[in-house]
Amino acid sequence: DTGVSQDPRHKITKRGQNVTFRCDPISEHNRLYWYRQTLGQGPEFLTYFQNEAQLEKSRLLSDRFSAERPKGSFSTLEIQRTEQGDSAMYLCASSLEAVMTEAFFGQGTRLTVV
Amino acid sequence: GNSVTQMEGPVTLSEEAFLTINCTYTATGYPSLFWYVQYPGEGLQLLLKATKADDKGSNKGFEATYRKETTSFHLEKGSVQVSDSAVYFCALSDRAGGNQFYFGTGTSLTVIP
Repeated sequence: DTGVSQDPRHKITKRGQNVTFRCDPISEHNRLYWYRQTLGQGPEFLTYFQNEAQLEKSRLLSDRFSAERPKGSFSTLEIQRTEQGDSAMYLCASSLEAVMTEAFFGQGTRLTVV
Repeated sequence: GNSVTQMEGPVTLSEEAFLTINCTYTATGYPSLFWYVQYPGEGLQLLLKATKADDKGSNKGFEATYRKETTSFHLEKGSVQVSDSAVYFCALSDRAGGNQFYFGTGTSLTVIP
């Protein structure tokens, strides 16, 4: 297993377009997280899945954002009608269900909205 | 609620200097505490963790002790190297406060030869 992988690594899109990112977690991990990171800031929680169920969503997650994990394996994060403020690094992480365990992060997808 | 406050950077040290990066937290329940490191152009990597009070996490010469009485988890290293230049994030996970991880804003460290 090669860890958490994210695709694409970089995405440049025009304002108003839709974008979709993919995350493949570590295979035995049933928890999957999406975070957003802007320059000079720490990762900011967006949403969390346990298996295929989306159990938590940040209040900061607007209705233009949607995430899925249809079979409890890979996940997608879609942003509709992108805005310049959506420009950020989008991080995916996965972990085991066990209490007190750490999350393993992918290298992220850097989104630039022009 | 849950939050993490980290010492602001950037921090610049000479090689072999002593490093301390302060981290304090607020948590609803009994959190696990983590330090993550982000090297230039790479993703976040776990550096060390501690899951209960008085535990000491250690890795690659870095150490941090979970201090419940001061709600702190300061990162230390006795002798830094140029290769330690990176951004360091303190984080907590608190089951009682939800299943997400809460991160500090990060501290950028540059070690000069």
